[in-house]
Amino acid sequence: GNSVTQMEGPVTLSEEAFLTINCTYTATGYPSLFWYVQYPGEGLQLLLKATKADDKGSNKGFEATYRKETTSFHLEKGSVQVSDSAVYFCALAVSGGSYIPTFGRGTSLIVHP
Amino acid sequence: GAGVSQSPSNKVTEKGKDVELRCDPISGHTALYWYRQSLGQGLEFLIYFQGNSAPDKSGLPSDRFSAERTGGSVSTLTIQRTQQEDSAVYLCASSFNPGLVLRGKNIQYFGAGTRLSVL
Repeated sequence: GNSVTQMEGPVTLSEEAFLTINCTYTATGYPSLFWYVQYPGEGLQLLLKATKADDKGSNKGFEATYRKETTSFHLEKGSVQVSDSAVYFCALAVSGGSYIPTFGRGTSLIVHP
Repeated sequence: GAGVSQSPSNKVTEKGKDVELRCDPISGHTALYWYRQSLGQGLEFLIYFQGNSAPDKSGLPSDRFSAERTGGSVSTLTIQRTQQEDSAVYLCASSFNPGLVLRGKNIQYFGAGTRLSVL
């Protein structure tokens, strides 16, 4: 079956620190990979995605590279801001399958001024 | 509308009562999903509608939970005889076509959720 494993949170950083949130996956078939972000009191929204190996998704200073050899899709940002404080979800979807995406448990990021 | 709309945004109910949660997806989106997000937990898939096909109900936790999607658009999630463990945020999402990876047609768009509190 499909599964997504994210690092446990919360991740607490000072403003301008470097961020890494690890995500690894197992999938039956060839997945597309996603990072969603959930700001307090809101629903999830797509942050970035990658659809094939070695693709790099990027948005708002965040980036993640689809690594097929290590089945990983780690999220990184070079300099976090207080406004980045949110919960981040790694997810995968496999075309031709059930079309029900598989989400990780989410990682809470807290950025202090 | 411009996005996925859910109502009510908050619902407080007494144990044993029935509740209905509504989701209005983005116009033209064929797929609709319901998820449950409990405190400190990830997203728990509940049910999936795709066009006129029979829904995938494999995630519903008990027979107290049911959902309908009328006319391929608005969906209602019903929880009968609510229990305290049903307290959670219920999220709805829609996508244009989950089978189309190209051009991001399989991307999910989420509503802000309904926070259900069962006293």
